[in-house]
Amino acid sequence: GDSVTQMEGPVTLSEEAFLTINCTYTATGYPSLFWYVQYPGEGLQLLLKATKADDKGSNKGFEATYRKETTSFHLEKGSVQVSDSAVYFCALIANQAGTALIFGKGTTLSVSS
Amino acid sequence: DTAVSQTPKYLVTQMGNDKSIKCEQNLGHDTMYWYKQDSKKFLKIMFSYNNKELIINETVPNRFSPKSPDKAHLNLHINSLELGDSAVYFCASSKPGADTQYFGPGTRLTVL
Repeated sequence: GDSVTQMEGPVTLSEEAFLTINCTYTATGYPSLFWYVQYPGEGLQLLLKATKADDKGSNKGFEATYRKETTSFHLEKGSVQVSDSAVYFCALIANQAGTALIFGKGTTLSVSS
Repeated sequence: DTAVSQTPKYLVTQMGNDKSIKCEQNLGHDTMYWYKQDSKKFLKIMFSYNNKELIINETVPNRFSPKSPDKAHLNLHINSLELGDSAVYFCASSKPGADTQYFGPGTRLTVL
């Protein structure tokens, strides 16, 4: 079945460091891909998405490119802030009716000043 | 205006009790979902409804019963609560298909 694999955390960075969180997927067909973020004690918020190959999603300085050839959707940010500390989830959904999000296990990011 | 709301935010109860969690969305979406997040933060789909009709029913104990009185509401009723039911339960909604899902703030259920 479809699945998402994220790099294990936690990831600990200093402010202004470069961030990469790796995400690869296994799916039949052409799924849509998402990054969601969960700040401490809160629900999930959509960070960015991409719906077809070579699409780049971007938001709040974060970006990720849908790479069909490597089945990847890595999240990057050039300069992290303390306020970026959160759990980041990569997810996919098949492009067909009657399906739901399949999540990776989440990566905890901790940024210190 | 809250797009997807859940009540209660916290729920602490004894084993064997029956409890309900309510979810409402004001986004005009036809599809609603319940996800469970375990203690390791892993998220997994439980149920999905499209316009009040059940379309996804994952391998969930039949002690869990979703109910959708209308397309803006999806409630989750849990009978005979067990310790292993302790988790955070998230409601979400979307347009039908592979569109973006919008999540509620979650309900943290603790079974003692």
